[in-house]
Amino acid sequence: KQEVTQIPAALSVPEGENLVLNCSFTDSAIYNLQWFRQDPGKGLTSLLLIQSSQREQTSGRLNASLDKSSGRSTLYIAASQPGDSATYLCAVGIGQGETSGSRLTFGEGTQLTVNP
Amino acid sequence: NAGVTQTPKFRILKIGQSMTLQCAQDMNHNYMYWYRQDPGMGLKLIYYSVGAGITDKGEVPNGYNVSRSTTEDFPLRLELAAPSQTSVYFCASSYAPRTGAPRQYFGPGTRLTVT
Repeated sequence: KQEVTQIPAALSVPEGENLVLNCSFTDSAIYNLQWFRQDPGKGLTSLLLIQSSQREQTSGRLNASLDKSSGRSTLYIAASQPGDSATYLCAVGIGQGETSGSRLTFGEGTQLTVNP
Repeated sequence: NAGVTQTPKFRILKIGQSMTLQCAQDMNHNYMYWYRQDPGMGLKLIYYSVGAGITDKGEVPNGYNVSRSTTEDFPLRLELAAPSQTSVYFCASSYAPRTGAPRQYFGPGTRLTVT
């Protein structure tokens, strides 16, 4: 059974700092990996999606890397801002055949606070 | 586009009552999903659908039922509500994975309390 772990559970940093969030998974047979942002009382917003054949994806100040062989992904946030404060969730796409990659297994998230 | 919409936003049920959580999307996505999120936890997949008339169980389907009669709608039915079903329920949708872009779009959630 696939298990996804995120470390740390909570992180507090001063504004402007570069930071790394970690995600590990137990079964390397994944089809994709997604990073989501969740604001309090809101739904999830997909930030980055990495297909299993890719090593990284970038969007603005965000960079996500994937190392399937070691079962790890990192989300790098450059020059953090107070508006980045949220919970960040990692999810791996599993499944077989036509539905490959559509069924997500989530980690418990990292709660990030960026202090002005 | 409204994206993924869910109703109601909040609901309190008594033990043993039943209800239907509504979900609709206007992005013409074939795939739709229901998740639950317990406090401080990640999301767990309840049911998913790959198209109208086709549904399948996820990780935690017990106590729930789904149907998919149209591409747009994917209601989740709770029968005989129990306190263990107190959670936040999220609906999501995506294109089919074979398109290479299975990014999932989430609704705002329904907060359900069973007492």
